[in-house]
Amino acid sequence: SAVISQKPSRDICQRGTSLTIQCQVDSQVTMMFWYRQQPGQSLTLIATANQGSEATYESGFVIDKFPISRPNLTFSTLTVSNMSPEDSSIYLCSAQGHPLYNEQFFGPGTRLTVL
Amino acid sequence: EDKVVQSPLSLVVHEGDTVTLNCSYEVTNFRSLLWYKQEKKAPTFLFMLTSSGIEKKSGRLSSILDKKELSSILNITATQTGDSAIYLCGGLGSGATNKLIFGTGTLLAVQP
Repeated sequence: SAVISQKPSRDICQRGTSLTIQCQVDSQVTMMFWYRQQPGQSLTLIATANQGSEATYESGFVIDKFPISRPNLTFSTLTVSNMSPEDSSIYLCSAQGHPLYNEQFFGPGTRLTVL
Repeated sequence: EDKVVQSPLSLVVHEGDTVTLNCSYEVTNFRSLLWYKQEKKAPTFLFMLTSSGIEKKSGRLSSILDKKELSSILNITATQTGDSAIYLCGGLGSGATNKLIFGTGTLLAVQP
């Protein structure tokens, strides 16, 4: 399985600011995803990070609010822009190694608190 | 719309008990069902089930998929306090995106 790291692991931010979360995988993976888990809720997919092209966003999520980069097959970033307290969540990246093997493995997550 | 439903939402048992967690799914072009254990932040992969009726086992944990009933169960025998966690199941459909649709999870608390 892939080993995935995220940073920061947690942050406390002020309303109106932006935070960029980094996700690094120890091997090349085909697909990378970004999820949000709000307090007491399950995981909700924000977007699929596509290498070399724009991310594919799920309903309710837009690029202006959650810009995503994926410059290569091992790295991706998610930015939470113009934050409000409602953005307080755990943000998780996940990776999938091969289109034929469907396991998705998760990074350790970033716990974001917006004041 | 695709959805995954888990039950019960929460469960409290004593050490040594056996528990069964349920997951039902409605996923377009269903391919696989995945189970994860979430203790703090990151979900840890447990099982991936693709074929109906074939049990997957890892220590005290086992899981099986029933494609006719569009459901899966996760069994934990001889529970320990370290099994306390949220257990998530996710349904995976066919297609280019390989995205998982997660249920709300089952919160399991194992008391000494």
